[in-house]
Amino acid sequence: GQQLNQSPQSMFIQEGEDVSMNCTSSSIFNTWLWYKQDPGEGPVLLIALYKAGELTSNGRLTAQFGITRKDSFLNISASIPSDVGIYFCAGYTPNDYKLSFGAGTTVTVRA
Amino acid sequence: ETGVTQSPTHLIKTRGQQVTLRCSSQSGHNTVSWYQQALGQGPQFIFQYYREEENGRGNFPPRFSGLQFPNYSSELNVNALELDDSALYLCASSSDLAKEQFFGPGTRLTVL
Repeated sequence: GQQLNQSPQSMFIQEGEDVSMNCTSSSIFNTWLWYKQDPGEGPVLLIALYKAGELTSNGRLTAQFGITRKDSFLNISASIPSDVGIYFCAGYTPNDYKLSFGAGTTVTVRA
Repeated sequence: ETGVTQSPTHLIKTRGQQVTLRCSSQSGHNTVSWYQQALGQGPQFIFQYYREEENGRGNFPPRFSGLQFPNYSSELNVNALELDDSALYLCASSSDLAKEQFFGPGTRLTVL
């Protein structure tokens, strides 16, 4: 699979805040997927993106497929405590059926 | 519609033993991928099965092998277990190649 760089590695959120994270690569992707994983469970698909420039929402989550096709962004608006978890970006490059994953962004509630 | 299921949930083995993990794909899905996830890391691709044939393999040794059955369920077999094989093993199914993958809850394997 291809190398995906996710940032930030971790973040602290306060309830009500908007948060952003991104994923970049040196390779072109033709599909971006965003997942959330809670401890001890499998990743849950949040949003799928298929076209450069595409902006897709799922409730308070919004994700964008970068125009260069080498990056993607995920925004969470008005965060709530259950937004805590690990968020992974993943994607397919052209002509490759292997899904590559980033290392994840860990979201924690600020005390 | 039943989602992806995996069994067992947890497993403890000793070094050198063999293990078989099972996955039932989501209804209508013909593609199953297996991943190894070590603590604090993202899932690492092991291999993928498409219509009962292996369709791509990650950087894992041959002692990791698999099968896909006519009903598209799948097995992951690991021989000669090593301590580093301790991880969460995830199975994901999709409706076709290069489509969204839906994950099962995983099997936590501990090798002592």
